[in-house]
Amino acid sequence: GAGVSQSPSNKVTEKGKDVELRCDPISGHTALYWYRQSLGQGLEFLIYFQGNSAPDKSGLPSDRFSAERTGGSVSTLTIQRTQQEDSAVYLCASSLTVRETQYFGPGTRLLVL
Amino acid sequence: RKEVEQDPGPFNVPEGATVAFNCTYSNSASQSFFWYRQDCRKEPKLLMSVYSSGNEDGRFTAQLNRASQYISLLIRDSKLSDSATYLCVVNIGDSSYKLIFGSGTRLLVRP
Repeated sequence: GAGVSQSPSNKVTEKGKDVELRCDPISGHTALYWYRQSLGQGLEFLIYFQGNSAPDKSGLPSDRFSAERTGGSVSTLTIQRTQQEDSAVYLCASSLTVRETQYFGPGTRLLVL
Repeated sequence: RKEVEQDPGPFNVPEGATVAFNCTYSNSASQSFFWYRQDCRKEPKLLMSVYSSGNEDGRFTAQLNRASQYISLLIRDSKLSDSATYLCVVNIGDSSYKLIFGSGTRLLVRP
């Protein structure tokens, strides 16, 4: 079946611009996660959605970052007023429930000039 | 101290060699442990979970030492296709959804 998909696959933007990253989880998966991976670093947890519960935003690095999940499916991660240090690969994952294996999408490579 | 620490490598080994990676974690409350594999410019994929009793999947063996807070991955009879970065991953708490990733150990298997 279809895996997690993300778009765009690559995004180049200018410092100060806003960007939106999209994630389509595996159908039927109730849990959705966003991570960030900077060059040569491990994945950094950003935010977690589970069903209709309030999301855990504890990993978001600043108030320029926000995310929403509409209808319990598609999620968008928005970065406002992008900075060069926001350059990274943004990975989305989904799992059937909170304790199940997380399946990752291919990521969005963001470059802020 | 990082929550999950790994030797970044690279480990450069010939085909057929046996190679072992270790990983240490700092939180003694950690409950679940995993090894993920990440190919260059690809997303991480679950390689195997790590159980207290140790577990084996073909050429791959994972071990957990709770007392010393480390996890190991042993790869026997290395293949060229094993070349990748291996990520040690820890989940804290039985109901926690947060995965803490190590920075990864890079493996290069040469002909």
